[in-house]
Amino acid sequence: QSVLTQPPSASGTPGQRVTISCSGSSSNIGSNSVNWYQQLPGTAPKLLIYSNNQRPSGVPDRFSGSKSGTSASLAISGLQSEDEADYYCAAWDDSLNGPRVVFGGGTKLTVL
Amino acid sequence: QLQLQESGPGLVKPSETLSLTCTVSGGSISSSSYYWGWIRQPPGKGLEWIGSISYSGSTYYNPSLKSRVTISVDTSKNQFSLKLSSVTAADTAVYYCARGRIPAASDCWGQGTLVTVSS
Repeated sequence: QSVLTQPPSASGTPGQRVTISCSGSSSNIGSNSVNWYQQLPGTAPKLLIYSNNQRPSGVPDRFSGSKSGTSASLAISGLQSEDEADYYCAAWDDSLNGPRVVFGGGTKLTVL
Repeated sequence: QLQLQESGPGLVKPSETLSLTCTVSGGSISSSSYYWGWIRQPPGKGLEWIGSISYSGSTYYNPSLKSRVTISVDTSKNQFSLKLSSVTAADTAVYYCARGRIPAASDCWGQGTLVTVSS
């Protein structure tokens, strides 16, 4: 059971816009920034979005992030076949049990 | 550019200690304002943060693993290390080392190394 909740799967056709949601609580998304990772098959995760909506250099502007309250979203516009991957959200969690980084369970994006 | 490379045994026996090292090249591990961390991924499953160490040497561990984890830095070798004690089959995973401005946003990752816990 992941602390952050993501849909297990999402899909779209080339050129479409797809969004992936990430739901948390006041101790994580509600009080800290959200980050998104892309993991292509058999490779290490790659930072896609940091601080809710910032793109590292080299990440296409087709990828965008947003946050509202205790939820966040990753949007991919102009979907391409190479976007087929697993996507994870992550945030710092100020849990009373001890602060930690928490991840969503991941969303497998299929480009139809 | 900065590169990270994990190294260590690929097979560890139950109840023993898993030890991995991450060698940093193309930059100094002593650079200020960075966190150096370990993340793992069991086969076919999602990501789990193990812990991070800051540029100042402060450590942050996942509460669920805290009693078994130690992360340390060797600035003379430009390396940082992970030790996970009393391992079980549940610790079988690909282990990644990574760097980030904050522990939750790692912008540079190693390729990962599979560690299997089995007798």
